[in-house]
Amino acid sequence: GENVEQHPSTLSVQEGDSAVIKCTYSDSASNYFPWYKQELGKGPQLIIDIRSNVGEKKDQRIAVTLNKTAKHFSLHITETQPEDSAVYFCAASIGNRDDKIIFGKGTRLHILP
Amino acid sequence: DGGITQSPKYLFRKEGQNVTLSCEQNLNHDAMYWYRQDPGQGLRLIYYSQIVNDFQKGDIAEGYSVSREKKESFPLTVTSAQKNPTAFYLCASTHNRGSYGYTFGSGTRLTVV
Repeated sequence: GENVEQHPSTLSVQEGDSAVIKCTYSDSASNYFPWYKQELGKGPQLIIDIRSNVGEKKDQRIAVTLNKTAKHFSLHITETQPEDSAVYFCAASIGNRDDKIIFGKGTRLHILP
Repeated sequence: DGGITQSPKYLFRKEGQNVTLSCEQNLNHDAMYWYRQDPGQGLRLIYYSQIVNDFQKGDIAEGYSVSREKKESFPLTVTSAQKNPTAFYLCASTHNRGSYGYTFGSGTRLTVV
């Protein structure tokens, strides 16, 4: 069945450095790739998403890249700040349906002072 | 403001009792979802509904039941048949079409004693 793998499961970076989280997906028909940030005790929030007809998308300090051939996509956070500490989930649509997505297992990001 | 509301935030129940978690949205979203989150397990889909009066089982539906009598509401009942019900439960919603992503509620933490 469809699968999304996410690495690493835990990531610690010094404040001000960059963080990269990587995901791979199995369904070659997937065309929608959202990223969510979950703070402690809260629900996940959509922070950025990308469609398969775009290779890269940027929003201030965060960017997502997509390699459809390799079925890889990544989240890049630059100039990390303490408030970036959270759990991040990648996801991929099942086929071309935006209303059915499958999540990775999450990456716990720690920003070190 | 539009949003998705889960209640209560914390819930304690005795073993063997059924309990119902509430999820209401005023976003005019068509599809609604219930996820269970355990430490290190990511988000696991329990049930989802793409239209009123219809719903489908997710990956871990055993011991749970849902109803979708109104577009705005998608309550989840955790039955006594669920072997390990203590967890963080998340409700989400989205449009059936278009790249809107999921909107999540703030979650209900259920503890069974």
